[in-house]
Amino acid sequence: QVQLVASGGGVVRPGGSLRLSCAASGFTFNAYVMHWVRQAPGKGPEWVAVIWSDGTNQHYADSVRGRFAISRDNSKSTLYLQMNNLKAEDTALYYCASDIKGYFESWGQGTLVTVSS
Amino acid sequence: DIVMTQSPDSLAVSLGERATINCKSSQSVLYSSDNKNYLAWYQHKPGQPPRLLIYWASTRESGVPDRFSGSGSGADFTLTINSLQAEDVAVYYCQQYYRTPKTFGQGTKVEI
Repeated sequence: QVQLVASGGGVVRPGGSLRLSCAASGFTFNAYVMHWVRQAPGKGPEWVAVIWSDGTNQHYADSVRGRFAISRDNSKSTLYLQMNNLKAEDTALYYCASDIKGYFESWGQGTLVTVSS
Repeated sequence: DIVMTQSPDSLAVSLGERATINCKSSQSVLYSSDNKNYLAWYQHKPGQPPRLLIYWASTRESGVPDRFSGSGSGADFTLTINSLQAEDVAVYYCQQYYRTPKTFGQGTKVEI
């Protein structure tokens, strides 16, 4: 069955960096557009970034553009999110999600990022 | 950005009764070339990732019980849960995927 396993979260100081990973299995990873979506405590989900199935195109939310970079390795069925210059407002549970028709078909369980001094 | 507004923020429904959640988008999410509404509904329970319930405004995802139904077009949509069960207690979100950024409503908490 479809599995998306996110990892790499943790506690980091403001200005620090983290790299999140999302290992995919149970579906044809290289056919799917992939997203990162985050949810801050007590808030609704917020879309963060998207990458095309072949990795040729990426788009970012205004709040993270220039600081975050989404990438993928289709040979490893793995999605990444490099997060630099982290801010307190980036504190959230980060989910990876698959998309073949526009909506978020499957979600991983999430990895928690806490930015705190 | 397209702003999604849900109402109410929360509602309490008796077991077996109907729950109705509304979602308004700040602009139409009906794509004229394919006549589809780019609107999805998700269910989110504590400790779990969100689960896709409905897409294209009214198409149930595989495995979703038929007591869940979606309706509406353009900029006004509704999620209806008929005969509410205990396992339906969750927060429900609408989301537009008509345009990037794909935006969510603020959520509606459904309680018994």
